[in-house]
Amino acid sequence: DTAVSQTPKYLVTQMGNDKSIKCEQNLGHDTMYWYKQDSKKFLKIMFSYNNKELIINETVPNRFSPKSPDKAHLNLHINSLELGDSAVYFCASSPGTSGGAQETQYFGPGTRLLVL
Amino acid sequence: QKEVEQDPGPLSVPEGAIVSLNCTYSNSAFQYFMWYRQYSRKGPELLMYTYSSGNKEDGRFTAQVDKSSKYISLFIRDSQPSDSATYLCAMKGTSYGKLTFGQGTILTVHP
Repeated sequence: DTAVSQTPKYLVTQMGNDKSIKCEQNLGHDTMYWYKQDSKKFLKIMFSYNNKELIINETVPNRFSPKSPDKAHLNLHINSLELGDSAVYFCASSPGTSGGAQETQYFGPGTRLLVL
Repeated sequence: QKEVEQDPGPLSVPEGAIVSLNCTYSNSAFQYFMWYRQYSRKGPELLMYTYSSGNKEDGRFTAQVDKSSKYISLFIRDSQPSDSATYLCAMKGTSYGKLTFGQGTILTVHP
């Protein structure tokens, strides 16, 4: 059973389009995250939700909007896609945020987005 | 200057070698230190987790943290071709779940 799953795995689209990436975790975790990994492998946090509430919102363009319908799901919607949005987007989850073993983040397989 | 600096390599070693991977950081608030391994076209997976300074050993892997020097290391003994991957250091202070990652070091262990 996949712990953290993302769909789609690959996404090729034109500039200006709107697209969504879905993430689901079956670990019973309270906290979920979205990361962006650029071509140089830098992994940078974008958003974090704890029990459906936004707790981290890094400096990300307003075109990116996360939505958490329940604590097992965290989706990412991107409006008006730009060339610079091309990257690998990783979803992750952790049991909580209070420290110790609660900190372990489990990553999904990634969604490779290419904007043409 | 980035908060976490990590030499991207690539690093190529023969099978059986001892590998040393390092990161330096500038934020003295960091207290939790992690090493993640990322295979090609996969998500990162946690290898080692250390709180504050000291050493931690797990099988062939040893993580060291020197907070006074703001320097962390990961040692891999008896390296295997299956260790070939990108190794990312990550750290955080007390803020909720916000991990700051290094750029990652690409390691290749050749038979």
